[in-house]
Amino acid sequence: EVQLVESGGGLVQPGGSLRLSCAASGFRFSSYWMTWVRQAPGKGLEWVANIKQDGSEKKYVDSVKGRFTISRDNANNSVYLQMNSLRAEDTAVYYCATRRGVVGLSNWFDPWGQGTLVTVSS
Amino acid sequence: SYELTQPPSVSVSPGQTARITCSGDALPKKYASWYQQKSGQAPVLVIYEDSKRPSGIPERFSGSSSGTMATLTISGAQVDDEADYYCYSTLFGGGTKLTVL
Repeated sequence: EVQLVESGGGLVQPGGSLRLSCAASGFRFSSYWMTWVRQAPGKGLEWVANIKQDGSEKKYVDSVKGRFTISRDNANNSVYLQMNSLRAEDTAVYYCATRRGVVGLSNWFDPWGQGTLVTVSS
Repeated sequence: SYELTQPPSVSVSPGQTARITCSGDALPKKYASWYQQKSGQAPVLVIYEDSKRPSGIPERFSGSSSGTMATLTISGAQVDDEADYYCYSTLFGGGTKLTVL
């Protein structure tokens, strides 16, 4: 069964750090770009970051550049999101997802994990 | 900056056809995908590359694209189809709440 399982969410104070993990199983993890998408309470989906199969390319939404770092460990079928200098507006459910398709032409996300909640508050 | 625009809400009666639109200037050059998100659950892919349906997605879900608009069509909508729907093409649209009652 193809599956993604996130962990690492929780309550953190503004300015603090958190590291999210996403464990993949049931597919050839090293063959795919991986993505983090977040959803603030009551709001829509927002793409956060992508990482290429070998980790050589990483892309971020402007609002997290310089604060968040995406990484992966293909030996352990895992992708991570290191979040530093957290702000209240980073409060969201964070989903990892497998990105499929042709880079620059056709991208879609399947499957998705169940999400992990990050709350930034004092 | 680039945007994808969706109507905030669409409402149909059971058995009717629901159409959810997504407009954006890059859609003539980039494929769109669609995601269904039921309350409290993770998103699920229902359409990719404008009109392709993943295995396990009911045939009543279909997609099309013309010019700057992509459309998700649910033929014979069911109560179980009530959800938020998001289009994606480089970024996500704002989402459309589908009500079936």
